[in-house]
Amino acid sequence: DTAVSQTPKYLVTQMGNDKSIKCEQNLGHDTMYWYKQDSKKFLKIMFSYNNKELIINETVPNRFSPKSPDKAHLNLHINSLELGDSAVYFCASSLASGQGNTIYFGEGSWLTVV
Amino acid sequence: GNSVTQMEGPVTLSEEAFLTINCTYTATGYPSLFWYVQYPGEGLQLLLKATKADDKGSNKGFEATYRKETTSFHLEKGSVQVSDSAVYFCALGGNNRLAFGKGNQVVVIP
Repeated sequence: DTAVSQTPKYLVTQMGNDKSIKCEQNLGHDTMYWYKQDSKKFLKIMFSYNNKELIINETVPNRFSPKSPDKAHLNLHINSLELGDSAVYFCASSLASGQGNTIYFGEGSWLTVV
Repeated sequence: GNSVTQMEGPVTLSEEAFLTINCTYTATGYPSLFWYVQYPGEGLQLLLKATKADDKGSNKGFEATYRKETTSFHLEKGSVQVSDSAVYFCALGGNNRLAFGKGNQVVVIP
């Protein structure tokens, strides 16, 4: 009955590979996000979708491509992985995109690029 | 733009001590304010929130009051337990996203 679930939880891969992280929410929310947490625990938004439409696209290399097949899913595909992509990636969702809405986070995907 | 500043450095304290973590913000308009907690190896969980000035959010013995005059949302707990050891993030809602502070590692020693 997990609200926001993402897979895989751990991912170790070599430089240059392409990988995907999948995310699903069963809360009936309209808005989904990807956040990146670096080694110093700093959290920064990468993307946000509202009802399958991209509404936030921060300064992220175009090797990162989000895809939202429906409003319950937001996947993150990363091409040509680099060492600096090693981080924890959090999927999240909220009822809507307004500022008062609580954002619910998944448990994170720990990506290590070697 | 919107931003959140948390006090520097980890916080180490003994069980049953009083905890304060400072958070100040810069924003246009009237943002909502949040505290999230991240336990080791886990994702972020909402701890409490406040949506307007003078609101007090509270949960699990933690409290924070939205102070517009000082642009602050300090987190407090009167008596911490070892199980409160975690990283605590202050966050501001606005522009369709959360802007996070850098987080504070809290270590509670038995």
